[in-house]
Amino acid sequence: AQSVTQPDIHITVSEGASLELRCNYSYGATPYLFWYVQSPGQGLQLLLKYFSGDTLVQGIKGFEAEFKRSQSSFTLRKPSVHWSDAAEYFCAVGKNTGNQFYFGTGTSLTVIP
Amino acid sequence: DAGVTQSPTHLIKTRGQHVTLRCSPISGHKSVSWYQQVLGQGPQFIFQYYEKEERGRGNFPDRFSARQFPNYSSELNVNALLLGDSALYLCASSRTWTINQPQHFGDGTRLSIL
Repeated sequence: AQSVTQPDIHITVSEGASLELRCNYSYGATPYLFWYVQSPGQGLQLLLKYFSGDTLVQGIKGFEAEFKRSQSSFTLRKPSVHWSDAAEYFCAVGKNTGNQFYFGTGTSLTVIP
Repeated sequence: DAGVTQSPTHLIKTRGQHVTLRCSPISGHKSVSWYQQVLGQGPQFIFQYYEKEERGRGNFPDRFSARQFPNYSSELNVNALLLGDSALYLCASSRTWTINQPQHFGDGTRLSIL
């Protein structure tokens, strides 16, 4: 069965500091991996996705993510966090037989001045 | 172009009632998926429809049903509401039903069961 684990429920970083959000997945086939961001009271916005190829993928808003098959991980990073990045971040794995996603429980990001 | 629109934005119901939630996809998108997001959790997949046919179903009871119309809009119906159905219901649309098509989410319908 597919599953997604985000070990950090909540993270606090200072504005301008770097950010790293962890995600581990369990999936029996080639994973399709995604990071989404959700601001309060809103839907989810796609930050980036990994299907194949280069294990370092670039996304919107200055985010990037690294896929490591040996560790079943998909780590989201940003070199310098802005106050507007405060939100809930979700990692998801997609089934390749349909557009069905399995989401992690999310990591809440707080940005302090 | 307008994004994915969902209606209503908020809804309050009592136990045992039924509810219908609506979703209009982005123009040109033929696939609609529904997710339930309980407070503090990630979204859970309920249904996916493509060209009016069900393409996927998550682990939800038969009280949950959905359909897609010729204009690709969709309805999610929930019967015999339980307190545990209180959640944010998200709709997402994509051009096709395959995984390589990015999903675009609406802002959701907040359903509260009293």
